Amino acid sequence: AQKVTQAQTEISVVEKEDVTLDCVYETRDTTYYLFWYKQPPSGELVFLIRRNSFDEQNEISGRYSWNFQKSTSSFNFTITASQVVDSAVYFCALSEAYAYSGAGSYQLTFGKGTKLSVIP
Amino acid sequence: EAQVTQNPRYLITVTGKKLTVTCSQNMNHEYMSWYRQDPGLGLRQIYYSMNVEVTDKGDVPEGYKVSRKEKRNFPLILESPSPNQTSLYFCASSLYSGSSYEQYFGPGTRLTVT
Repeated sequence: AQKVTQAQTEISVVEKEDVTLDCVYETRDTTYYLFWYKQPPSGELVFLIRRNSFDEQNEISGRYSWNFQKSTSSFNFTITASQVVDSAVYFCALSEAYAYSGAGSYQLTFGKGTKLSVIP
Repeated sequence: EAQVTQNPRYLITVTGKKLTVTCSQNMNHEYMSWYRQDPGLGLRQIYYSMNVEVTDKGDVPEGYKVSRKEKRNFPLILESPSPNQTSLYFCASSLYSGSSYEQYFGPGTRLTVT
């Protein structure tokens, strides 16, 4: 069964510091997809990025960057020069491409989330 | 505006009183899903639907029902709510049911069962 672990429950940083949120996953599939979602204090879930298992290139989007390493089954998320508006809960999620999850095919399995607080 | 809507946003009810949380999307998405979010547990899938009249259980389906009679709507039904169903509920949709498609989430429904 697929599993996502976000070991950091809560992180606090001072504004302008860099911060990395860790995500480790488990899957039996060779084809799978990884996602990051942001949940600000207002409560909605905002899609940030999708990465497939065949694309190990790192991705950068403004102050956000993602480091995908299949060798360590990790998909870490770094925020550079953090801002107060980055304060949120961040979820990493995994979706397998094939039916190893049985009745849960096509389900998105979420980690438990990391709460990031950026202090002014 | 492309969106997933849920109603109501907040609901306080009593044990045993049937309720329905509606979910609607205007993106012509095939795949829809319900999740519940609880502290320390993250988001867990309740039910999902790959298309009209096609639904299946997720990780935590007990105590819930769903239906998908139209492509745009995917209501969540609690026939006899209990306090352990107090939670934050999210509806989501994606273009197709393939795992590569990101899901778009509604704003959430905070349910309290007393």
